[in-house]
This record gives sequence, C-alpha cells and structure tokens, in this order.
Amino acid sequence: AQRVTQPEKLLSVFKGAPVELKCNYSYSGSPELFWYVQYSRQRLQLLLRHISRESIKGFTADLNKGETSFHLKKPFAQEEDSAMYYCALHTGGFKTIFGAGTRLFVKA
Amino acid sequence: DVKVTQSSRYLVKRTGEKVFLECVQDMDHENMFWYRQDPGLGLRLIYFSYDVKMKEKGDIPEGYSVSREKKERFSLILESASTNQTSMYLCASSPGGPGNNEQFFGPGTRLTVL
Repeated sequence: AQRVTQPEKLLSVFKGAPVELKCNYSYSGSPELFWYVQYSRQRLQLLLRHISRESIKGFTADLNKGETSFHLKKPFAQEEDSAMYYCALHTGGFKTIFGAGTRLFVKA
Repeated sequence: DVKVTQSSRYLVKRTGEKVFLECVQDMDHENMFWYRQDPGLGLRLIYFSYDVKMKEKGDIPEGYSVSREKKERFSLILESASTNQTSMYLCASSPGGPGNNEQFFGPGTRLTVL
C-alpha cells in the first residue's frame, strides 16, 4: 500500500539547535516527494521537492531510496520555523498522499 | 503568482443542510482537489478532478459530491451535512504532468456543523 509516515506529531527544539523531521514512505515505483509547510494563519505551501535538490529557508531533504525516507533537516532552527510540516508522496497518477504532519515548535 | 480562492473562510451549518464550498483557481491548472484537514490525520483526499466535468473519488468520498463545470472552478457539495463533517476543507490545484505535481492551496474553509 502507498503510505507516508511521519512518526512525530510534535517536535520541540531550542532556537539554534539542529532539527530533523522524519518522513518514511511506502511505494514500489519511482517516487516524487515534497515537503509542505503551513505557518500560523497562512495557507499550506510548498517548501521543497526532492527533484529540485535545493535548500529553501535553510532546509534540505535528501531522498534515500534504500531506507525509503525523505527527512527534512535544518542545522540551526529559528523561531520563525515554527509551523506544521507535511511530507507528501506523488505516485505518478493524479493523487498525492500526505503524511499526518509534524508540528515543529522552536523555543527561544 | 498562483491564486486559489475559496468562497468562505468560516461556515456554520446545521445538521441536514446542503452545503456548497466553492474553489476558484486562476492559473489554468488541469487538476483540482478537495481535502479534509484534521489534527492527527493530515490531509485526506475527498475528490479530485483532472478535467472539466471529470471527477474521481478520493479516499473519503462518502457524504460528498463535486462539480466541475468550468476549468477554473471546483465545487464541493455536502448533500446533508452531519456533525462528523465538521472540519477544515482545503482546495488545491496543480498543473499536472511530469515534474508539475506541486499543489497550490487555497486558504481553507473551516466548516462547523451543529
């Protein structure tokens, strides 16, 4: 079955600390993976996608096909990073499957 | 800049009422989607449409229907609202095709069914 798992519902870190939001997927084909972010009182928006291999707002994510993971990382968390983060898997049809989300809270 | 708009930010309805949620996108996207967003459950796909008048059920279509008469507009209909349909509803659109599957979201409609 196609599935996206985000094991942490809530992640709390101190400002300046490294942060890693975990995402594992289940899909037998070639995945297209995304991270979306929703800041307080804003709409859900794309943060980054694996095919771009870029860093956005200091965040990076590497696709590890062997471990079927797409973890989101940032070396030094900022307070403005506090938000809800969703990992998403596009499976080649029309559908995108979203994980349950991880709420990141960066403490001052 | 892609713009996806939804007709209402907040809506309060009574059990049994027929509810219409409207979504409009202005970027000529082929694909449009309706999701429910619930804490701990993430986004769950209700219905999607890949062309005018074409629709497909998502993962939780029961109690909902949709309409896409024009490319830019995708409507979600709750035929007879129930309290378990109280939720945040998100509309999204995407161009579709290889490498074009980023979804652009509307601001959401928070529906409360009393």
